[in-house]
Parts: sequence; structure tokens; C-alpha cells
Amino acid sequence: GAVVSQHPSWVICKSGTSVKIECRSLDFQATTMFWYRQFPKQSLMLMATSNEGSKATYEQGVEKDKFLINHASLTLSTLTVTSAHPEDSSFYICSAPRVGKSTDTQYFGPGTRLTVL
Amino acid sequence: KQEVTQIPAALSVPEGENLVLNCSFTDSAIYNLQWFRQDPGKGLTSLLLIQSSQREQTSGRLNASLDKSSGRSTLYIAASQPGDSATYLCAVSSGGGADGLTFGKGTHLIIQP
Repeated sequence: GAVVSQHPSWVICKSGTSVKIECRSLDFQATTMFWYRQFPKQSLMLMATSNEGSKATYEQGVEKDKFLINHASLTLSTLTVTSAHPEDSSFYICSAPRVGKSTDTQYFGPGTRLTVL
Repeated sequence: KQEVTQIPAALSVPEGENLVLNCSFTDSAIYNLQWFRQDPGKGLTSLLLIQSSQREQTSGRLNASLDKSSGRSTLYIAASQPGDSATYLCAVSSGGGADGLTFGKGTHLIIQP
């Protein structure tokens, strides 16, 4: 079964609104989670690293004030797209390395399809 | 900065053929390399993971090899089936669980019945 979940699986919103996406590790704790973005026919691009109890670290070119990340517990990280615009429409996927077992494998969530009208 | 390239970008073959997908990366200092499958509009399914100290991994009809020094990996699919149709992504990790992955753009594979 899935070890990382995301909610919602898809969302449609109007331009200017904010959208929150949740990423949960279901049966393990994750002090670190990763957020990726995938545009149509493109590959996944790492956006940011979510760190439990501390600030997220963002990849170059990703606006931290636009993509707010909160990792308030060891099983939940949230990504909030603030003042979303059509160019933010994309597929957002999170991942988490499993603590307590080999940290080699990243477990990915099923993704969230965001469409901004 | 690590860059991952996958060739070919797309491939269409008749059912039953054996095929090879290629992946190359620019920085050989990797922790591991993973191959994923992605179906249209879906998330990722991990297929094989190769540690930097390993040369290959096998799972069923899939075999992945790694030549770290030359910055290359191949995914071999034996006796292809229509259900194998998907996009195959190669991704490298430079820091284990502490770092995110760098992905290639993928190979879009179609297996013709």
C-alpha cells in the first residue's frame, strides 16, 4: 500500500487564490520531505526541501514567499501556493525518505494536479 | 550542477521485443540511481534502485545497470508487453536520504500489441 499520501489529488482554483497541498507519511516518520513540480511533458524538478521544525530550503529560482512550506509534524508537510496564477498550473509531487530503514529510497506521493484558471 | 539525460525521448516497439533505455549523468559522485515508471497523470512507481557501489539490479523482466565512472545507466526490458507502456524516468541522488533527486526528462515508451 501507499506509504506517502497527498491531498487533494487535484484542485482547480481561480487566479489570485491560495491553495494548500498536504503530504503525509502514513506509517513512518519523516524529518525531511521533498517537493517537486512537473510541467506537461517535462521532468520532475525539485522545488524545496521541507525540514521538520525548521525552515524549508528552496532550490534556485523557486520563490519562497510564493511557495510556503510548513513541516509541523514528523508525518505532515504542507505546500501552499499563494496568489496562484495560471503559470503555476502543474503537477506537484512530494517524497519522503523512510526513517529507521535504509534512507536510500525515496517514497513518492501520488501527486496533486493544480489548475489555475 | 548535476544533469540527467535520457535517450531516446520516445520509443515505440512491437510487443515481445527486448529494449534498452539509456540514462546519463554529468557528475559521477552519486549516492544511488533509481528508475521509475510514470503512467499518464499519475505519480511515480519505483522500479529499481542501484547503489553507487553496485553494478546492476534485477526485478522480473527488468534489469538496470550502472557504470558510475562513465556516468551511465541502462534499463533493459525483456519481452516487452503492452502493459509496459509508460514514461520511464531515471533519477540520481547525490546525498542519500538527505537530498532530493535529480530527474531526467524520461523516455515515453509505447508497446504496440
